[in-house]
Amino acid sequence: KNEVEQSPQNLTAQEGEFITINCSYSVGISALHWLQQHPGGGIVSLFMLSSGKKKHGRLIATINIQEKHSSLHITASHPRDSAVYICAVRSMDSNYQLIWGAGTKLIIKP
Amino acid sequence: ETGVTQTPRHLVMGMTNKKSLKCEQHLGHNAMYWYKQSAKKPLELMFVYNFKEQTENNSVPSRFSPECPNSSHLFLHLHTLQPEDSALYLCASSQEKSGGATGELFFGEGSRLTVL
Repeated sequence: KNEVEQSPQNLTAQEGEFITINCSYSVGISALHWLQQHPGGGIVSLFMLSSGKKKHGRLIATINIQEKHSSLHITASHPRDSAVYICAVRSMDSNYQLIWGAGTKLIIKP
Repeated sequence: ETGVTQTPRHLVMGMTNKKSLKCEQHLGHNAMYWYKQSAKKPLELMFVYNFKEQTENNSVPSRFSPECPNSSHLFLHLHTLQPEDSALYLCASSQEKSGGATGELFFGEGSRLTVL
C-alpha cells in the first residue's frame, strides 16, 4: 500500500461541474502539497497546507490532520482545468523528501 | 514565465553521448532539486542542493552527475545513459528555512529525454 493514495485515478466531467479529488496518507506530515501538471509536463504548485482550508480562485483545498485526509475541490470546472492533479506530503521524518501520490487525471468536457 | 527555466526542453541522445540539462531559477530561492518522472510513476527525487551544497543524493547512478555552481543555476550532466533513463527530468526550487525544508516548490517545464 502506498503511503499517499489519491482517488479517483481518472475523472471525466462536464464543464461547470463541481470536482472533488481526494488524497489519503498514512504518515505523520509537516505539510501537504497539491500540484497541477499539464500535458506539456510543467508542474505548478497550487497549495501547500498543514491545517484547515485554503482558497484560490475556483480552487479550494482542505486538510483533516486527524483523519490524514485532504481534498481538492474545483468549482465551476472548465476545460482548461483538464490536467493531472498530484498530492504530495512532506513526512515529519524527512527534510526534503516528498512522498508523491500517483496523480488524478481530470478531463473536463465542454 | 514560471521563474524556473529548463533547457533543452527535448533531448535525444545515444548511449555513448555526453550531454547536460540546465536549470535556472529567477526567484532568489536557496534550494534546487532534480526530479525524474517516468511514465505512469510518481516523481522521484534525484538530488537536492541547499545553499549550493548537495544535501540529498537518492542512490542515483553515477552516470547522472549534478552541478550547482551558484544558487541560481543547476546542471545535470548525463554520460553513458541507458534507454531506461528516458524520462521527463524536472527541476524545482524553493526557499528553505534553516533546520529543514518548508518551502513551496516551483517547477520548471521539464526536459524530455530520450535515450536511444
